[in-house]
Amino acid sequence: AQRVTQPEKLLSVFKGAPVELKCNYSYSGSPELFWYVQYSRQRLQLLLRHISRESIKGFTADLNKGETSFHLKKPFAQEEDSAMYYCAPVWQLTFGSGTQLTVLP
Amino acid sequence: DGGITQSPKYLFRKEGQNVTLSCEQNLNHDAMYWYRQDPGQGLRLIYYSQIVNDFQKGDIAEGYSVSREKKESFPLTVTSAQKNPTAFYLCASRPGAYGYTFGSGTRLTVV
Repeated sequence: AQRVTQPEKLLSVFKGAPVELKCNYSYSGSPELFWYVQYSRQRLQLLLRHISRESIKGFTADLNKGETSFHLKKPFAQEEDSAMYYCAPVWQLTFGSGTQLTVLP
Repeated sequence: DGGITQSPKYLFRKEGQNVTLSCEQNLNHDAMYWYRQDPGQGLRLIYYSQIVNDFQKGDIAEGYSVSREKKESFPLTVTSAQKNPTAFYLCASRPGAYGYTFGSGTRLTVV
């Protein structure tokens, strides 16, 4: 079955450390994937999508077809990055369980 | 200012009552969605509508109902048949195969 998985439900890093939130997919075609973020007391919002190849708030995500991954990365985590992150594909209407990122001072 | 408006922000329901959650968008998006968010379970799809007067069940539709009489509006009714309705409900819309725009959510509590 085609699906997207986020293997880590919880992830903690120290401020200034690199962070990588994992997203793996199983899809036979060319997937279009998004990362969404939900900060505390704020609405869920689109962070970035792979086709735009942009960097938002220092985050980047590269589609790796060989590893079937779309990991979200930031070289130096900040405390304000603490949030819930969801990886989601266009072809699927359901989201995974997400990863709760906590950046420690 | 375009976006999605969900109301109310907080809602309390007595056992056995039906309640309706409002979702309105002025983004001219065709597709609208209702998700339920529970701690540790991510987002689960309740219902979705890709066009006016048409909607489909999602993964957890039992105990819920929707209508889509206007493009801008997609209200969700939580019926008394829903066994565990206490949750955070999110409405979203999107223009075709693009990213979702989400509302700010409604927190429903059964008292």
